[in-house]
Amino acid sequence: KQEVTQIPAALSVPEGENLVLNCSFTDSAIYNLQWFRQDPGKGLTSLLLIQSSQREQTSGRLNASLDKSSGRSTLYIAASQPGDSATYLCAAPLGGTSYGKLTFGQGTILTVHP
Amino acid sequence: SAVISQKPSRDICQRGTSLTIQCQVDSQVTMMFWYRQQPGQSLTLIATANQGSEATYESGFVIDKFPISRPNLTFSTLTVSNMSPEDSSIYLCSVGTGEVVTEAFFGQGTRLTVV
Repeated sequence: KQEVTQIPAALSVPEGENLVLNCSFTDSAIYNLQWFRQDPGKGLTSLLLIQSSQREQTSGRLNASLDKSSGRSTLYIAASQPGDSATYLCAAPLGGTSYGKLTFGQGTILTVHP
Repeated sequence: SAVISQKPSRDICQRGTSLTIQCQVDSQVTMMFWYRQQPGQSLTLIATANQGSEATYESGFVIDKFPISRPNLTFSTLTVSNMSPEDSSIYLCSVGTGEVVTEAFFGQGTRLTVV
Protein backbone atom coordinates (compact mmCIF):
# COMPACT_ATOMS: atom_id res chain seq x y z
CA LYS A 1 0.00 0.00 0.00
CA GLN A 2 1.39 3.36 -1.02
CA GLU A 3 1.73 5.98 1.71
CA VAL A 4 2.81 9.55 1.05
CA THR A 5 4.14 11.97 3.65
CA GLN A 6 4.88 15.65 3.24
CA ILE A 7 6.98 17.92 5.40
CA PRO A 8 6.71 20.58 6.58
CA ALA A 9 2.97 20.75 7.18
CA ALA A 10 3.10 24.52 6.97
CA LEU A 11 5.64 27.09 5.91
CA SER A 12 5.62 30.87 6.18
CA VAL A 13 8.32 32.84 4.38
CA PRO A 14 9.00 36.39 3.26
CA GLU A 15 8.72 37.20 -0.39
CA GLY A 16 11.83 36.41 -2.46
CA GLU A 17 13.00 33.38 -0.54
CA ASN A 18 13.90 30.11 -2.22
CA LEU A 19 12.18 27.18 -0.55
CA VAL A 20 11.98 23.41 -0.60
CA LEU A 21 8.97 21.21 0.02
CA ASN A 22 9.56 17.55 0.79
CA CYS A 23 7.60 14.44 -0.11
CA SER A 24 8.34 10.82 0.76
CA PHE A 25 6.60 7.65 -0.43
CA THR A 26 6.77 4.06 0.75
CA ASP A 27 6.40 2.08 -2.49
CA SER A 28 9.32 2.95 -4.77
CA ALA A 29 7.90 0.96 -7.69
CA ILE A 30 6.17 4.03 -9.09
CA TYR A 31 5.72 5.06 -12.71
CA ASN A 32 5.58 8.74 -11.88
CA LEU A 33 4.97 11.32 -9.19
CA GLN A 34 2.91 14.46 -9.48
CA TRP A 35 2.89 17.80 -7.67
CA PHE A 36 -0.28 19.87 -7.40
CA ARG A 37 -1.30 23.26 -6.12
CA GLN A 38 -4.63 23.85 -4.38
CA ASP A 39 -6.01 27.27 -3.57
CA PRO A 40 -8.50 27.49 -0.67
CA GLY A 41 -11.82 25.85 -1.50
CA LYS A 42 -10.73 25.08 -5.05
CA GLY A 43 -9.73 22.11 -7.14
CA LEU A 44 -6.20 20.97 -7.92
CA THR A 45 -3.86 22.41 -10.51
CA SER A 46 -1.18 20.10 -11.85
CA LEU A 47 2.25 21.69 -11.48
CA LEU A 48 4.74 19.03 -12.47
CA LEU A 49 4.72 15.37 -13.44
CA ILE A 50 7.98 13.47 -13.04
CA GLN A 51 8.28 10.15 -14.78
CA SER A 52 10.18 7.34 -13.08
CA SER A 53 12.93 7.57 -15.72
CA GLN A 54 13.50 11.26 -14.95
CA ARG A 55 15.34 12.78 -12.03
CA GLU A 56 14.09 16.35 -12.46
CA GLN A 57 11.35 18.37 -14.09
CA THR A 58 11.21 22.14 -14.37
CA SER A 59 8.47 24.66 -15.06
CA GLY A 60 9.30 28.33 -14.64
CA ARG A 61 10.36 28.95 -11.04
CA LEU A 62 9.42 25.41 -10.03
CA ASN A 63 11.75 22.44 -10.05
CA ALA A 64 10.83 18.98 -8.86
CA SER A 65 13.22 16.11 -8.29
CA LEU A 66 12.60 12.42 -7.84
CA ASP A 67 14.78 9.81 -6.14
CA LYS A 68 12.99 6.48 -6.36
CA SER A 69 15.63 4.54 -4.48
CA SER A 70 15.22 6.67 -1.38
CA GLY A 71 11.48 7.20 -1.86
CA ARG A 72 11.73 10.98 -1.96
CA SER A 73 10.73 13.93 -4.06
CA THR A 74 11.33 17.62 -3.52
CA LEU A 75 9.65 20.68 -4.96
CA TYR A 76 11.90 23.71 -5.17
CA ILE A 77 10.31 27.15 -5.55
CA ALA A 78 12.66 29.94 -6.52
CA ALA A 79 12.15 33.58 -5.65
CA SER A 80 8.82 33.01 -3.92
CA GLN A 81 5.96 35.49 -4.42
CA PRO A 82 2.77 36.16 -2.46
CA GLY A 83 0.84 34.60 -5.35
CA ASP A 84 2.56 31.29 -4.56
CA SER A 85 0.58 31.06 -1.33
CA ALA A 86 -1.45 27.86 -1.51
CA THR A 87 -1.42 24.23 -0.40
CA TYR A 88 1.04 22.06 -2.29
CA LEU A 89 0.20 18.39 -2.63
CA CYS A 90 2.41 15.51 -3.66
CA ALA A 91 0.74 12.42 -5.12
CA ALA A 92 2.01 8.98 -6.12
CA PRO A 93 0.16 6.28 -8.04
CA LEU A 94 -1.71 3.70 -6.00
CA GLY A 95 -0.36 0.19 -6.00
CA GLY A 96 2.00 0.32 -8.96
CA THR A 97 -0.59 1.67 -11.35
CA SER A 98 0.21 4.26 -13.98
CA TYR A 99 -3.13 5.57 -15.07
CA GLY A 100 -3.78 8.47 -12.70
CA LYS A 101 -5.16 6.68 -9.64
CA LEU A 102 -3.38 8.52 -6.86
CA THR A 103 -2.66 8.57 -3.17
CA PHE A 104 -1.94 12.00 -1.71
CA GLY A 105 0.18 13.44 1.04
CA GLN A 106 -1.36 15.74 3.61
CA GLY A 107 0.06 18.78 1.87
CA THR A 108 2.24 21.73 2.77
CA ILE A 109 0.41 25.00 3.41
CA LEU A 110 2.64 27.76 2.06
CA THR A 111 2.25 31.41 2.99
CA VAL A 112 4.47 33.97 1.29
CA HIS A 113 4.13 37.39 2.88
CA PRO A 114 5.16 40.65 1.23
CA SER B 1 -4.22 18.09 -20.85
CA ALA B 2 -7.93 17.93 -20.13
CA VAL B 3 -10.50 20.51 -19.12
CA ILE B 4 -12.94 19.22 -16.54
CA SER B 5 -16.21 20.90 -15.58
CA GLN B 6 -18.05 19.97 -12.42
CA LYS B 7 -21.57 20.91 -11.45
CA PRO B 8 -22.68 22.18 -9.03
CA SER B 9 -19.68 24.09 -7.70
CA ARG B 10 -21.25 24.17 -4.26
CA ASP B 11 -24.46 23.22 -2.52
CA ILE B 12 -26.05 23.21 0.90
CA CYS B 13 -28.28 20.19 1.46
CA GLN B 14 -30.58 18.88 4.12
CA ARG B 15 -29.62 15.69 5.93
CA GLY B 16 -31.30 12.61 4.54
CA THR B 17 -31.41 13.92 0.97
CA SER B 18 -29.20 13.01 -2.00
CA LEU B 19 -27.08 15.13 -4.32
CA THR B 20 -25.81 14.20 -7.77
CA ILE B 21 -22.58 15.78 -8.96
CA GLN B 22 -21.78 15.92 -12.66
CA CYS B 23 -18.36 15.76 -14.28
CA GLN B 24 -17.87 16.65 -17.95
CA VAL B 25 -14.53 16.34 -19.77
CA ASP B 26 -13.66 18.14 -22.99
CA SER B 27 -12.17 15.01 -24.58
CA GLN B 28 -12.61 11.26 -24.39
CA VAL B 29 -10.66 9.72 -21.54
CA THR B 30 -10.29 6.16 -20.41
CA MET B 31 -9.81 6.74 -16.71
CA MET B 32 -12.10 8.80 -14.51
CA PHE B 33 -12.00 8.94 -10.73
CA TRP B 34 -13.88 10.50 -7.83
CA TYR B 35 -12.15 11.81 -4.72
CA ARG B 36 -13.33 13.23 -1.43
CA GLN B 37 -11.55 15.92 0.56
CA GLN B 38 -12.89 16.28 4.07
CA PRO B 39 -12.36 19.60 5.89
CA GLY B 40 -8.69 20.18 6.62
CA GLN B 41 -7.72 16.84 5.10
CA SER B 42 -6.06 15.64 1.94
CA LEU B 43 -7.76 13.80 -0.89
CA THR B 44 -9.02 10.23 -0.61
CA LEU B 45 -9.99 8.16 -3.62
CA ILE B 46 -13.63 7.06 -3.56
CA ALA B 47 -13.84 5.02 -6.75
CA THR B 48 -12.86 4.51 -10.35
CA ALA B 49 -15.70 5.25 -12.75
CA ASN B 50 -15.71 2.55 -15.42
CA GLN B 51 -17.40 3.17 -18.74
CA GLY B 52 -20.09 0.59 -19.39
CA SER B 53 -19.67 -1.29 -16.12
CA GLU B 54 -19.99 -0.86 -12.39
CA ALA B 55 -17.58 1.48 -10.63
CA THR B 56 -14.69 0.07 -8.61
CA TYR B 57 -14.82 1.29 -5.02
CA GLU B 58 -11.94 1.76 -2.60
CA SER B 59 -11.98 0.36 0.90
CA GLY B 60 -14.45 2.22 3.08
CA PHE B 61 -16.71 3.36 0.25
CA VAL B 62 -19.81 1.50 -0.95
CA ILE B 63 -22.08 1.73 -3.95
CA ASP B 64 -25.25 2.28 -1.92
CA LYS B 65 -23.79 5.44 -0.42
CA PHE B 66 -21.90 6.71 -3.49
CA PRO B 67 -23.52 5.40 -6.67
CA ILE B 68 -21.56 6.35 -9.78
CA SER B 69 -22.53 6.40 -13.43
CA ARG B 70 -20.26 6.54 -16.48
CA PRO B 71 -22.43 6.43 -19.60
CA ASN B 72 -19.66 7.45 -22.01
CA LEU B 73 -15.99 8.47 -22.18
CA THR B 74 -16.58 12.16 -21.40
CA PHE B 75 -19.15 12.14 -18.59
CA SER B 76 -19.67 10.75 -15.10
CA THR B 77 -21.87 11.41 -12.10
CA LEU B 78 -21.38 10.80 -8.40
CA THR B 79 -24.38 10.71 -6.08
CA VAL B 80 -24.00 11.23 -2.35
CA SER B 81 -26.98 9.43 -0.87
CA ASN B 82 -28.84 9.83 2.40
CA MET B 83 -26.52 12.60 3.45
CA SER B 84 -25.40 13.39 6.97
CA PRO B 85 -23.23 16.29 8.22
CA GLU B 86 -20.22 13.94 8.05
CA ASP B 87 -20.56 13.99 4.26
CA SER B 88 -19.70 17.68 4.19
CA SER B 89 -16.62 17.73 1.98
CA ILE B 90 -15.23 18.80 -1.35
CA TYR B 91 -15.85 16.15 -3.99
CA LEU B 92 -13.50 16.16 -6.97
CA CYS B 93 -13.59 14.50 -10.34
CA SER B 94 -10.28 13.49 -11.91
CA VAL B 95 -9.15 12.04 -15.21
CA GLY B 96 -5.96 10.37 -16.32
CA THR B 97 -4.49 11.17 -19.71
CA GLY B 98 -1.49 9.87 -21.59
CA GLU B 99 -0.76 6.53 -23.17
CA VAL B 100 2.53 5.59 -21.51
CA VAL B 101 2.66 7.66 -18.34
CA THR B 102 -0.57 9.14 -17.11
CA GLU B 103 -0.97 12.68 -15.82
CA ALA B 104 -3.95 13.37 -13.60
CA PHE B 105 -6.15 16.43 -13.99
CA PHE B 106 -8.87 17.63 -11.65
CA GLY B 107 -12.09 19.54 -11.83
CA GLN B 108 -12.71 22.55 -9.62
CA GLY B 109 -14.59 20.45 -7.13
CA THR B 110 -18.02 20.53 -5.54
CA ARG B 111 -18.17 21.95 -2.04
CA LEU B 112 -20.97 20.16 -0.21
CA THR B 113 -22.36 21.28 3.13
CA VAL B 114 -24.95 19.09 4.83
CA VAL B 115 -27.07 20.73 7.50
